[in-house]
Amino acid sequence: DIQMTQSPSSLSASVGDRVTITCRASQGINNYLAWFQQKPGKAPKSLIYAASSLESGVPSKFSGSGSGTDFTLTISSLQPEDFATYYCQQYNSYPRTFGQGTKVEIK
Amino acid sequence: QLQLQESGPGLVKPSETLSLTCTVSGGSVSSSSYCWGWIRQPPGKGLEWIASIYYSGNTYYTPSLKSRVTISVDTSKNQFSLKLSSVTAADTAVYYCGLSGSGGPWGYFQLWGQGTLLTVSS
Repeated sequence: DIQMTQSPSSLSASVGDRVTITCRASQGINNYLAWFQQKPGKAPKSLIYAASSLESGVPSKFSGSGSGTDFTLTISSLQPEDFATYYCQQYNSYPRTFGQGTKVEIK
Repeated sequence: QLQLQESGPGLVKPSETLSLTCTVSGGSVSSSSYCWGWIRQPPGKGLEWIASIYYSGNTYYTPSLKSRVTISVDTSKNQFSLKLSSVTAADTAVYYCGLSGSGGPWGYFQLWGQGTLLTVSS
């Protein structure tokens, strides 16, 4: 199985901050990596697919980068609606696996 | 537009079999463009993929649950389902159904249902 490790597990940031979350795969995943945002009591929502492609309707303040085993989600200017938990997921092979999540909180 | 809606019993007793259904609207469960799956999230914890099924009938399961899980499609009702046998308290979670593309860069969960909470308790 491919293990996905996210860091940090949580972070505190202020409105307007640039935030970066990292996801590392235990082996290469051909850039088949997605990022999701989840708010309390809600289903996850896809933000980025194929490591760097922005999902339709998602603001351009979200961006993804990386290749091979190391990937990054960046929020360019954090807004109040961005405080949530973020997950990465590999879909290169089965079983599909998620990172453990990164909770972005207000400082 | 495509929408997914889970339905389930809400409460199941230990050792019983839980059955969950996802109703697909705005699209066909028979489409070759899609793969259908289930993901769960225990209270306060992260996401765990459970199973996926393709239009071809090919199925995939997470190893830790493979002996207890069955995913299936009912084309007549435009639904897909999950059965999990011999449940324990550890199976208490919000269960989401999801849609992914059938391959390549689109094989991620593009669409999720709202989720249904399943509690295992006597």
